[in-house]
Amino acid sequence: QKEVEQNSGPLSVPEGAIASLNCTYSDRGSQSFFWYRQYSGKSPELIMSIYSNGDKEDGRFTAQLNKASQYVSLLIRDSQPSDSATYLCAVGGADTGRRALTFGSGTRLQVQP
Amino acid sequence: KAGVTQTPRYLIKTRGQQVTLSCSPISGHRSVSWYQQTPGQGLQFLFEYFSETQRNKGNFPGRFSGRQFSNSRSEMNVSTLELGDSALYLCASSSGQGAAGAYGYTFGSGTRLTVV
Repeated sequence: QKEVEQNSGPLSVPEGAIASLNCTYSDRGSQSFFWYRQYSGKSPELIMSIYSNGDKEDGRFTAQLNKASQYVSLLIRDSQPSDSATYLCAVGGADTGRRALTFGSGTRLQVQP
Repeated sequence: KAGVTQTPRYLIKTRGQQVTLSCSPISGHRSVSWYQQTPGQGLQFLFEYFSETQRNKGNFPGRFSGRQFSNSRSEMNVSTLELGDSALYLCASSSGQGAAGAYGYTFGSGTRLTVV
C-alpha cells in the first residue's frame, strides 16, 4: 500500500464547476498536509496547507481534513482552464525532524472551457 | 525575496559519468531537501540537510549523495550514472524548524538530467 494515494485521473470538469480532488494516507500519526499544483514542465507550487480537522478556505480553494478517516481533499470552486494541472497531495510525518514530506502520485485536472 | 535557485536547469550526461547539482535555498531557510521526479515513480525523497547535517535519507543507492554548506547552499552528486537516473531533480527549501515537513516546502525550478 502506498503511503499517500491519489487517483491519477484525468479528472475533467467544465469551466465554472467545482473540482474535487481526494487523497488518502496510511500514517495515522501524520500531522501536516499540503496540496501542491504542478503545471506541465514546471516545479510544484504550494497552494494549501492544513493541520487540523475540518475545512480551510483560501479564495477559490478549500482543503478538507479528516484524520479519523485519513482523508484529505481539495475543492476548487469556479474552476478555470488555468487550473488545469496536476495536483499533488503531500503529507508530513509526526516524528519531529525525522520525516520528509511524502507525496502522492498526483491527480491530473482538466478544466474544459 | 529571492526564491529557490537550482543550477543548471538542464544536463545531458553519459552513462558512467558523475554529476553535481546545486541548490541555493530561500534566504534564512536552513533546510534543503532533494527529490527525484519521474513519470513512473512520481516524487521520491532523496535526502534532507539541515545546518550542514543530513537529517533524513530516502531509499536511494549510495551513488546518490549530498552536502550542505555553512551558507545553507546544497549540492547533490550522482556517481556512475545509469539510464534510469534520468529525471527532474527538485530542491525544496524550508525553515527546517520542527518536523522537516511541518510548514511545507518551496521548490526550485529543478534540474532536468538526461543520461544517454
